[in-house]
Amino acid sequence: EPEVTQTPSHQVTQMGQEVILRCVPISNHLYFYWYRQILGQKVEFLVSFYNNEISEKSEIFDDQFSVERPDGSNFTLKIRSTKLEDSAMYFCASGFVGGSQETQYFGPGTRLLVL
Amino acid sequence: ELKVEQNPLFLSMQEGKNYTIYCNYSTTSDRLYWYRQDPGKSLESLFVLLSNGAVKQEGRLMASLDTKARLSTLHITAAVHDLSATYFCAVDTGTASKLTFGTGTRLQVTL
Repeated sequence: EPEVTQTPSHQVTQMGQEVILRCVPISNHLYFYWYRQILGQKVEFLVSFYNNEISEKSEIFDDQFSVERPDGSNFTLKIRSTKLEDSAMYFCASGFVGGSQETQYFGPGTRLLVL
Repeated sequence: ELKVEQNPLFLSMQEGKNYTIYCNYSTTSDRLYWYRQDPGKSLESLFVLLSNGAVKQEGRLMASLDTKARLSTLHITAAVHDLSATYFCAVDTGTASKLTFGTGTRLQVTL
């Protein structure tokens, strides 16, 4: 069964460093998302991406964040200068439109720890 | 701003018992999703409810949607230990739009 994959599974970085989180969405999906979950809290939307551009972003997604789909398969989230409060689990999701099972499928997540 | 609330936040129940988790949301939507999350893991899609009155069942779980009341329920029948997890409902307000998640209900099924 197709699934969303993410790398790395864990990343530890120093405050102020740049990190790039990578995702490979399900191949026939057209909509891509990043969410994050701070430990013990609910899942929060960061950004959605369709047709090679951002379709929606949250207040969390400030100038320090960017997304890119550099080729036909990868979808990346970059944090330019990490802060302590960026420590969280980051989930990539992809989705399609149409059909009774229209939903977003989540990857396994990247646990980011900023020291 | 769309708000999604779940209750209870934590539920400890014995095996074999029945219980219901409630999900209320604050704006008009015909689309509601239930996910399961095991500790340290990702979100697994359980149910997709796309219209008023939708009811779906899988094993011991049944989900329903009342869009007029802005309420969804996740009913657990004869709970078993394997159902222990955190359950999230999520709402979107349009095709392929972002999901707004509830606070989650941590379910613990004890022997």
